[in-house]
Amino acid sequence: DVKVTQSSRYLVKRTGEKVFLECVQDMDHENMFWYRQDPGLGLRLIYFSYDVKMKEKGDIPEGYSVSREKKERFSLILESASTNQTSMYLCASSSDRQGDGYTFGSGTRLTVV
Amino acid sequence: TQLLEQSPQFLSIQEGENLTVYCNSSSVFSSLQWYRQEPGEGPVLLVTVVTGGEVKKLKRLTFQFGDARKDSSLHITAAQPGDTGLYLCAGPFSGTYKYIFGTGTRLKVLA
Repeated sequence: DVKVTQSSRYLVKRTGEKVFLECVQDMDHENMFWYRQDPGLGLRLIYFSYDVKMKEKGDIPEGYSVSREKKERFSLILESASTNQTSMYLCASSSDRQGDGYTFGSGTRLTVV
Repeated sequence: TQLLEQSPQFLSIQEGENLTVYCNSSSVFSSLQWYRQEPGEGPVLLVTVVTGGEVKKLKRLTFQFGDARKDSSLHITAAQPGDTGLYLCAGPFSGTYKYIFGTGTRLKVLA
């Protein structure tokens, strides 16, 4: 069964901490994405990557960075966590065939206190 | 700017009722997809529609892509509590592999 695995389902971090969210896919997909999902705001794209070591900003990149050193792994980094980064974070991957859509991970619910 | 608007935002119905959810845009999309997201989980792809006017069926779910490829609908026949969730439509951002997601319809089916 193909899947996208996010390293943590729930995380609680303190304000100012550096936070790493890890995502691994086993489908050999070229494209990987990080979204955050908040009530009333829907899914918002933070960063995405079309290839190893390549990254592009999405709609809300401020306060985040990413790393893609290997094709199967895409990491989201919160440089200095703040309370307004409390959210559900979703990782997704896709192939280069547009009609195939995204495969999402189960999400990481991050709370910053 | 490509946008996808879904209606209704919220829907609460009794088991056995029928319902339709809409996804509308002023832009043409090469394809549209529907996802369902259950609480605490990531969205799961249900279907992709590609051709204008296309109709696809997935058990009690019927998906239609508008003739002009600017809108889509999801019809559920005889809804069941297991259909409860957030339904999202999505389409590829022009010329990229990045998808735009609709605002979502939160469905609750009461037993």
